[in-house]
Amino acid sequence: DAGVTQSPTHLIKTRGQQVTLRCSPKSGHDTVSWYQQALGQGPQFIFQYYEEEERQRGNFPDRFSGHQFPNYSSELNVNALLLGDSALYLCASSSPGQAANTGELFFGEGSRLTVL
Amino acid sequence: AQSVTQLGSHVSVSEGALVLLRCNYSSSVPPYLFWYVQYPNQGLQLLLKYTSAATLVKGINGFEAEFKKSETSFHLTKPSAHMSDAAEYFCAVTLTNTGRRALTFGSGTRLQVQP
Repeated sequence: DAGVTQSPTHLIKTRGQQVTLRCSPKSGHDTVSWYQQALGQGPQFIFQYYEEEERQRGNFPDRFSGHQFPNYSSELNVNALLLGDSALYLCASSSPGQAANTGELFFGEGSRLTVL
Repeated sequence: AQSVTQLGSHVSVSEGALVLLRCNYSSSVPPYLFWYVQYPNQGLQLLLKYTSAATLVKGINGFEAEFKKSETSFHLTKPSAHMSDAAEYFCAVTLTNTGRRALTFGSGTRLQVQP
């Protein structure tokens, strides 16, 4: 059973460019969340998708947008890249069940974005 | 709003010694608390979680944590450190007890284990 897979694993962009990161959730999961982890920091919640719509959003500007496809996979798009966008971007998937038995977040290994 | 504070960005212990990683939370309502571990160049793995069923929570790899409401703490412990425990540890909090929760993470504690 494949876990959460993310692509690409590493990428380098320059300021002002746009980037798209991709995530395939764990089998059976319908909810995808994205987190940004800057160097030396804890992950910060960007947004969450289920039923192909953005459901929750953290404190990130509109330059950060996303999409969820009918097969539950998701994309994170960042426009007009800034140096400060350099980070590890983590995707987490879950099912909507109660935490006692299900509903845990499973994280991918992340996409490391460097903005020059 | 909820938050967590992890005291000590770096902790170093000897192999076989007690591991204690500190986490304090701030929440206006009863929180759900988690500890995650991150090995180099990997994603996060859940160690344990507190979801109000029991205040002493046992997790994987011999770790446990105790929820203390009076101290607003959820410290992570392990009686005897192993070299393989060297990693970054994150405490996280949420107010939602479903799979559609958004977690608020602390800034992390890097655990070094000396031989």
